[in-house]
Amino acid sequence: DAKTTQPPSMDCAEGRAANLPCNHSTISGNEYVYWYRQIHSQGPQYIIHGLKNNETNEMASLIITEDRKSSTLILPHATLRDTAVYYCIASPSSNFGNEKLTFGTGTRLTIIP
Amino acid sequence: EAQVTQNPRYLITVTGKKLTVTCSQNMNHEYMSWYRQDPGLGLRQIYYSMNVEVTDKGDVPEGYKVSRKEKRNFPLILESPSPNQTSLYFCASSSGTSYGYTFGSGTRLTVV
Repeated sequence: DAKTTQPPSMDCAEGRAANLPCNHSTISGNEYVYWYRQIHSQGPQYIIHGLKNNETNEMASLIITEDRKSSTLILPHATLRDTAVYYCIASPSSNFGNEKLTFGTGTRLTIIP
Repeated sequence: EAQVTQNPRYLITVTGKKLTVTCSQNMNHEYMSWYRQDPGLGLRQIYYSMNVEVTDKGDVPEGYKVSRKEKRNFPLILESPSPNQTSLYFCASSSGTSYGYTFGSGTRLTVV
C-alpha cells in the first residue's frame, strides 16, 4: 500500500469548512483513497473513498488531484462533533472486505467554538 | 440497529490466562477483521476473514487466534496473554460494497 502523509494536527473554527490534506505521492493506479475518522477512543468511522474523480456524500467531499498524488477531505460546515482524528488511507482495492487497511497516525482535527 | 458488538468492553487479566473477546455483527457481512490500537502506532490489523471458515493473517497476528464458524461471529482468542498484548482492540465488518468497514466500540484489554 502507498504511504500517506498527513499533518499531525489542525484547528478549524466552528461553522467553517475544514480542509484536511493528504499526500500519497507513491499511489499506484489501482489504489483507492479512503478516509476514516475516530472520535476519542471510539471505533473508526468510514467517511468517503475515491479513485480519481471527486466524490461527495452526506458527510464530506473528497477532492483528488489530477495526478492523484494528493487529496483533500472537506467537511463543509464543521461542528464541534467533528473533532476527531482523521485517517487517510491508500489501498489497492475498493473491495472493503479483503483489503488490509493500514491506518497511519492521522490528523487530529480540533473544531474551535 | 445495524452494529458490531464486542464483549467485554473492559478486561483486566493475568499473564497466561486464556481469554476470548467476542465479536458479533447483525448485518450479514461477509468480511470481518480485528485491529489493535496502541499509542503512537495507530491501528494495526491482526486477522481478517473473508467468509465462514476463511481467515488470514494481518500485520500483527503473533499471539492471537481467530475462528469463523458462523457468518455473524468472529472471536479473538489469546491463548496465553502477555503484557505486550495490553491494547485497545476493535472488531470490524464489511459487506464488500461501498460503505467501508463498520467498527465495534472497542475492548480495552490490560494484561498484568
